[in-house]
Amino acid sequence: AQSVTQLDSQVPVFEEAPVELRCNYSSSVSVYLFWYVQYPNQGLQLLLKYLSGSTLVKGINGFEAEFNKSQTSFHLRKPSVHISDTAEYFCAVRPWDTGFQKLVFGTGTRLLVSP
Amino acid sequence: EAGVTQFPSHSVIEKGQTVTLRCDPISGHDNLYWYRRVMGKEIKFLLHFVKESKQDESGMPNNRFLAERTGGTYSTLKVQPAELEDSGVYFCASSQLSASTDTQYFGPGTRLTVL
Repeated sequence: AQSVTQLDSQVPVFEEAPVELRCNYSSSVSVYLFWYVQYPNQGLQLLLKYLSGSTLVKGINGFEAEFNKSQTSFHLRKPSVHISDTAEYFCAVRPWDTGFQKLVFGTGTRLLVSP
Repeated sequence: EAGVTQFPSHSVIEKGQTVTLRCDPISGHDNLYWYRRVMGKEIKFLLHFVKESKQDESGMPNNRFLAERTGGTYSTLKVQPAELEDSGVYFCASSQLSASTDTQYFGPGTRLTVL
């Protein structure tokens, strides 16, 4: 079985400050890794994904994430946040033993950006 | 191109009643998924359709839940009879059939409240 841990349920940050949202996973099989974002009253939107290759992945809206296999982590970062980045962020994996079909999510991290 | 749509956006019912949620995937997407988020917890996989066939229904909580996808287009998820613990947000997602790497696109969700 797989599990995804997002230790921070809420991260407050000031506008233009850098931010890192942490994600660790546990899996005995290969996985693909994802970050999704949910803005208020909207569905989940894909921010970025890691399938293979370079461990530094760039996504939309200036976000990036780095896959660290030894630490089984996939932390999300942005060098300078905006008010509009206020949302809930979900880390997820898709494991090999489901044909990479089923998403397994963490509990989410609320990013609160204030002026 | 229209995204994944879900109806209704909100539903409030009493324990013991029946509710049917509908999901319309992106046109041409053969994979359709249902997920659920109970308040404060992670988003959990319920089941996966490939066209009209159930590929994986390992996440369905019990036999009070029935999912269908007649004709391989839209899908319905019926809860009968509803219990208090069924409250949560039900998400639908869809993806193309071509590769396991395809992105799952999510709808805005249906918020179900069982009183």
